[in-house]
Amino acid sequence: AQTVTQSQPEMSVQEAETVTLSCTYDTSESDYYLFWYKQPPSRQMILVIRQEAYKQQNATENRFSVNFQKAAKSFSLKISDSQLGDAAMYFCAYKNDYGGATNKLIFGTGTLLAVQP
Amino acid sequence: DSGVTQTPKHLITATGQRVTLRCSPRSGDLSVYWYQQSLDQGLQFLIQYYNGEERAKGNILERFSAQQFPDLHSELNLSSLELGDSALYFCASSALLDSLNTEAFFGQGTRLTVV
Repeated sequence: AQTVTQSQPEMSVQEAETVTLSCTYDTSESDYYLFWYKQPPSRQMILVIRQEAYKQQNATENRFSVNFQKAAKSFSLKISDSQLGDAAMYFCAYKNDYGGATNKLIFGTGTLLAVQP
Repeated sequence: DSGVTQTPKHLITATGQRVTLRCSPRSGDLSVYWYQQSLDQGLQFLIQYYNGEERAKGNILERFSAQQFPDLHSELNLSSLELGDSALYFCASSALLDSLNTEAFFGQGTRLTVV
């Protein structure tokens, strides 16, 4: 069974600094997607960034980028120029192709990010 | 605003009771997913419906059931509620069933408190 592990329950970063959140996963599949979701205090789950496993190039969305190491099954999120609004719980998630049967997401346990002014 | 609407936002009920959570997916989305977010279990997939039919089951208790109606809205029914069922229940929707290249859009969740 696929699993997603986030080993950092809490992280803290100074405003304008850079922080990296870690995620590892376990799968025997070769084709899959990885995601980072942000959950602010409003509880809304917001997609931050996604990575297709077949793409070697790391995904980037403005201040958010990932370091995808397929062989190591590692998928870290880097937040540059951290802002107060980045404070939230961040979830790493995995999805693969079950032959079209489902697109369910498997989530890690989350990392609570605090941004210090 | 994701376009996915969940009602109610908050629900407080007693043990042994039954509740129904409602989800309206984004316009045009055929797939609906239910997730449970609890302190001890994290975010877990419960069940998926596609165009009215059940497609996949996850860690859903027998006391829980769901359905998707012809207008594509979905309901999650929780019965014989226990204290441990207290959690945030999310609904998500996506357009395509058979493609990995789809994004799931989440509603704001229903906070269920069982007392």
